Amino acid sequence: EIVMTQSPLSLPVTPGEPASISCRSSQTLLHTNGYTYLDWYLQKPGQSPQVLIYLGSNRASGVPDRFSGSASGTNFTLRISRVEAEDVGVYYCMQALQPPQYTFGQGTKLEIK
Amino acid sequence: QVQLQESGPGLVKPSETLFLTCVVSGSSMTRVSHWGWFRQPPGRGLEWIGLINYPGTTFHNPSLKGRVTISKDMSKNQFSLTMTSLIVADTATYYCATGAYGGKFDHWGQGALVTVSS
Repeated sequence: EIVMTQSPLSLPVTPGEPASISCRSSQTLLHTNGYTYLDWYLQKPGQSPQVLIYLGSNRASGVPDRFSGSASGTNFTLRISRVEAEDVGVYYCMQALQPPQYTFGQGTKLEIK
Repeated sequence: QVQLQESGPGLVKPSETLFLTCVVSGSSMTRVSHWGWFRQPPGRGLEWIGLINYPGTTFHNPSLKGRVTISKDMSKNQFSLTMTSLIVADTATYYCATGAYGGKFDHWGQGALVTVSS
């Protein structure tokens, strides 16, 4: 099983300030086809998860451009350039390497200071 | 707009079998390639249960030890989850979602709370 480790687990942020969340995988998520199978999801309070980033760095449809994802080996980062109040919730990374044995990180709870 | 809706029992007894159905509306299932199930125990993180792809191949979380069956019915625009031998630890909100090869689950149901209790 691929283990996903996120940090920090709690992230208080002042509105307008940047924020970043790290995620590390226990194995490479780089497929032989050249794609990196790592998604980022946000679960807002009381809601279902929503995809933010797929294939490591591709923003999903309708996701504001203040969200960005990057990858370096087995280390992944989600960045928010300027945090807004609506960004509060729990952020999860999920590895989606094929064949499917998907696993999530523990989640990072972002709150507004 | 694509919408997913889970349906099933809210309460199941230990050792019994859970049946959940996810109805897809607003779009034909032929426009999607992967249909997945996830769950979230109260106050905890997300767990992938399994998925079925367009050709009908299924994949499951090995930690669920073969208790899971996933199927789809394209004519009814729905897919289903069957989980056997339920235990209290299976208490969770169960989500259905549609995605692509390699993740990108971009449509989710609202979730169905399933409580396992005698």
